Amino acid sequence: QVQLQESGPGLVKPSQTLSLTCTVSGDSISSTGHYWSWIRQNPGKGLEWIGYIYYSGDTYYNPSLKSRIAMSIDASKNQFSLSLTSVNAADTAVYYCARMILPRYFDYWGQGTLVTVSS
Amino acid sequence: DIQMTQSPSSLSASVGDRVTITCRASQTITTYLNWYQQKPGKAPKVLIYAASNLQNGVPSRFSGSGSGTDFTLTISSLQPEDFAAYYCQQSYSPPFTFGPGTKVDIK
Repeated sequence: QVQLQESGPGLVKPSQTLSLTCTVSGDSISSTGHYWSWIRQNPGKGLEWIGYIYYSGDTYYNPSLKSRIAMSIDASKNQFSLSLTSVNAADTAVYYCARMILPRYFDYWGQGTLVTVSS
Repeated sequence: DIQMTQSPSSLSASVGDRVTITCRASQTITTYLNWYQQKPGKAPKVLIYAASNLQNGVPSRFSGSGSGTDFTLTISSLQPEDFAAYYCQQSYSPPFTFGPGTKVDIK
């Protein structure tokens, strides 16, 4: 059974960096054809795809966030991570990690973690 | 970016009703259209992928159709556990985008 679990601070101050990690179990993060994604949801904007990283390190980021995002992968720990810099209140959301498989749909999701941006 | 719209934004229905939700893309996405169900406090769960393919383990009362820009999700006989929000999502071209959702509640 594939499981994903997000971890990281639930509160981040404005202008600081949001950092989250997703730990994958039941699947190898190095599996071909599996793309590891971050998606967020806030009441005002619905579901927003942030980007994905492939085991090779290739990434694709949402252009709306591209200047502030970095994703990385740690195959030894079967984890991937998200870093979002210069956060503001609009970045307050539930952040999900998810696995995308071909033909490009999200078949497994983490439970989500609420990140609040506030001083 | 490809914009996704859904209609209706919400609907009230009874157990046993046939329910249809529509999704429209701002440009052709062939059949790169997925449907998700989300219950309060939970992550979305995929129901249909590539427009018409039922995800393993999803009841057969759910079905999807369409291609190009217009798609539908149909629940043939609404069950109590189906009261939730439903989202379409295009995966034709990144950034992958979601519809605003349709909330199905009890009449």
